[in-house]
Amino acid sequence: GAGVSQTPSNKVTEKGKYVELRCDPISGHTALYWYRQSLGQGPEFLIYFQGTGAADDSGLPNDRFFAVRPEGSVSTLKIQRTERGDSAVYLCASSSWTGGPGELFFGEGSRLTVL
Amino acid sequence: AQKVTQAQTEISVVEKEDVTLDCVYETRDTTYYLFWYKQPPSGELVFLIRRNSFDEQNEISGRYSWNFQKSTSSFNFTITASQVVDSAVYFCALSEASGGSQGNLIFGKGTKLSVKP
Repeated sequence: GAGVSQTPSNKVTEKGKYVELRCDPISGHTALYWYRQSLGQGPEFLIYFQGTGAADDSGLPNDRFFAVRPEGSVSTLKIQRTERGDSAVYLCASSSWTGGPGELFFGEGSRLTVL
Repeated sequence: AQKVTQAQTEISVVEKEDVTLDCVYETRDTTYYLFWYKQPPSGELVFLIRRNSFDEQNEISGRYSWNFQKSTSSFNFTITASQVVDSAVYFCALSEASGGSQGNLIFGKGTKLSVKP
């Protein structure tokens, strides 16, 4: 499809395991964002890529979280040594400068459950 | 610090009623953007509107209208003649106006709107 694609849609893992979440942005969008949404809360900013580089990673909660975008398109969010508090929906969004500031196109999210 | 408050957690209306969703924000920036996003049950947030801090004109788009008042730091959203398809969680958000931080949105907790037939 033409929208932002996220896989997997659901991921259940055990505490301490490693997890990767993938985001395929809209073709041609240079900016890519990861957000995290806990139950009953609004999305919370994690990291922003412009091209291949992380332009702002101020929202990553700790060093267990890491994200890459090696070719400036697909991005992977990596979570090491998962904890129960990491359970949330992880949202990816992309944008282009022609769309204007803050006009983000979101995917449907990857729901992570840490048991 | 920047903050967005949506005091209404849930609102339930009957179809064709008008409904207003409240949003109050806090920021020390003189230049900023305000947004509304809609999140239907599928989970995919959909952009509805952006206003910059220098433009206080109210805006109308079909059944949707927005009232931005800097004096009260509010950016309220009204749906006229609500429809069942308007049922969703609505988020108000705020961002700085500079460079890449424009996509670093501070979201409120959202208001869940249920429109009953």
